[in-house]
Amino acid sequence: DTGVSQDPRHKITKRGQNVTFRCDPISEHNRLYWYRQTLGQGPEFLTYFQNEAQLEKSRLLSDRFSAERPKGSFSTLEIQRTEQGDSAMYLCASSPMGVRDEKLFFGSGTQLSVL
Amino acid sequence: RKEVEQDPGPFNVPEGATVAFNCTYSNSASQSFFWYRQDCRKEPKLLMSVYSSGNEDGRFTAQLNRASQYISLLIRDSKLSDSATYLCVVNIRESNYQLIWGAGTKLIIKP
Repeated sequence: DTGVSQDPRHKITKRGQNVTFRCDPISEHNRLYWYRQTLGQGPEFLTYFQNEAQLEKSRLLSDRFSAERPKGSFSTLEIQRTEQGDSAMYLCASSPMGVRDEKLFFGSGTQLSVL
Repeated sequence: RKEVEQDPGPFNVPEGATVAFNCTYSNSASQSFFWYRQDCRKEPKLLMSVYSSGNEDGRFTAQLNRASQYISLLIRDSKLSDSATYLCVVNIRESNYQLIWGAGTKLIIKP
């Protein structure tokens, strides 16, 4: 499968715990995005990487959230001291550079439930 | 006012009918526009880009009205498999590559 893959598919955690999600983009894609989506809403932008550089981060993102893409390939998103409001689907997407339109290819997402 | 607004629906439409829905955007500097489709509990998938001159892909037609700041999606001869949520996406170049997503319009095709 050469699509975007995310791990785990589901995560249940207790409030206050730290969680980490992984995303493996399509191999030739330079751009990688993290989004969060709750029921009945569209995806909400969290952060964006071009290769290993984190170029943009949502102002809505608290300091408890951090993302890395150390070698410009896979990325991790960590949430520290989780809160119930963090419960959502976390989506990773990638896209190639140099295309006219910003077409995103999404992974299946990680569904986070904070108890 | 939200930057991208859609009627949440649901639109309940009989199979074979034609259905259309709009999406309005507030930033006149918006450059690129897209329709994504999202099935229940699945990831969004690109349905089609929206070009200034309008474009068609099979039963789907997308149009852009810059003067009134909206895009539209028309589905002809609707199929049961068209049941999904349709997300409107706008690229505001001022924000680098940050796409702005609507909350989606839910479409239900009934036999």
